[in-house]
Amino acid sequence: GNSVTQMEGPVTLSEEAFLTINCTYTATGYPSLFWYVQYPGEGLQLLLKATKADDKGSNKGFEATYRKETTSFHLEKGSVQVSDSAVYFCAPGGGKLIFGQGTELSVKP
Amino acid sequence: DAGITQSPRYKITETGRQVTLMCHQTWSHSYMFWYRQDLGHGLRLIYYSAAADITDKGEVPDGYVVSRSKTENFPLTLESATRSQTSVYFCASSAGGGTAAFFGQGTRLTVV
Repeated sequence: GNSVTQMEGPVTLSEEAFLTINCTYTATGYPSLFWYVQYPGEGLQLLLKATKADDKGSNKGFEATYRKETTSFHLEKGSVQVSDSAVYFCAPGGGKLIFGQGTELSVKP
Repeated sequence: DAGITQSPRYKITETGRQVTLMCHQTWSHSYMFWYRQDLGHGLRLIYYSAAADITDKGEVPDGYVVSRSKTENFPLTLESATRSQTSVYFCASSAGGGTAAFFGQGTRLTVV
């Protein structure tokens, strides 16, 4: 079945710093890949997705590129804001939707 | 209202009691999921369903029962609650085929 390994948190950054959250996955075939974000007290919501190899998903300044060769889907943002503080989850798509531990990001002013 | 809703939002129950968490979605999504979220464990899949009357175990199914008689509803039952089932429970739905999932707001369950 599918599985995902994410960079452990918490990650603490200063405002305007560059962000990378690593994600590698194992999956049958080449599923769509997703990043979800969870703000405090809420459920997860879709941040971005990529549907095939070399696709780049982007949203709200976040980007991630589907790397088939390295089975990775790292999340990046050039300049984080305090409002980006949240927990981020990477997940390969598929019927049995599995998540990893998530990576907590804390951005300080 | 369109979307996915969970009820109740908060629940306190006693050890050994049966409790049912409700999940309702209005999109007619074929897939529905139940997760629990605990500190240090991320989001763990309890059960999922690919369609009405089709359910399957996830990573941590022990102590839980699900049913799906209608596409829009996917209740989760703890037949005899234990303290280790104290957690935040999330329901989600998706159209399948690699589409994104949509999550409810969660139910915070405390077993005392």
